[in-house]
Amino acid sequence: DAKTTQPPSMDCAEGRAANLPCNHSTISGNEYVYWYRQIHSQGPQYIIHGLKNNETNEMASLIITEDRKSSTLILPHATLRDTAVYYCIVRAPTAGGTSYGKLTFGQGTILTVHP
Amino acid sequence: EPEVTQTPSHQVTQMGQEVILRCVPISNHLYFYWYRQILGQKVEFLVSFYNNEISEKSEIFDDQFSVERPDGSNFTLKIRSTKLEDSAMYFCASSYRLRRSGNTIYFGEGSWLTVV
Repeated sequence: DAKTTQPPSMDCAEGRAANLPCNHSTISGNEYVYWYRQIHSQGPQYIIHGLKNNETNEMASLIITEDRKSSTLILPHATLRDTAVYYCIVRAPTAGGTSYGKLTFGQGTILTVHP
Repeated sequence: EPEVTQTPSHQVTQMGQEVILRCVPISNHLYFYWYRQILGQKVEFLVSFYNNEISEKSEIFDDQFSVERPDGSNFTLKIRSTKLEDSAMYFCASSYRLRRSGNTIYFGEGSWLTVV
């Protein structure tokens, strides 16, 4: 799976948008970009994923650049409860293979939302 | 909302003892996983399980570890003879199926194992 690079930490004011960047310059054409977060040693929580189009759900938006070498996770109105470690993960959908299930976590970005 | 549940939430065990961590995956899920996270470190993949057999395992998952799905609802991780370095948070996870459009894995809240 392609390697990702994220800033180690970011700050955001409550109520403002949090934009978390991720570089994945070696991503292959069939690899998906997944975002998870982990709040204070709880289990990783799925946020969103995408292949090439921008995606939005009730939690966040995912913007993937046209060349797919980077992406940005957007939390539109950050709250104190969004303080967490955010992981950007690239996964290859190996048809019938097992690596599909293997998420490789990096160090992630520690997002601190302050009042 | 369906969730992955794990028991116990915290277990303290003596070095050399056997430990079984239990998980109830989401009910219609078919793929099951264990991950672990040593305090202050990354979340690490241990093993994936499908159709009653291991489909992939990491080099961490040595002969001391085993997994089992003893009935239709539980999924267990056994550590045969615990070592101090097995102290970690262990996360169970599950997903519905593999498919080209993506496969969302859902994690439980974890079982914190302390080996003394």
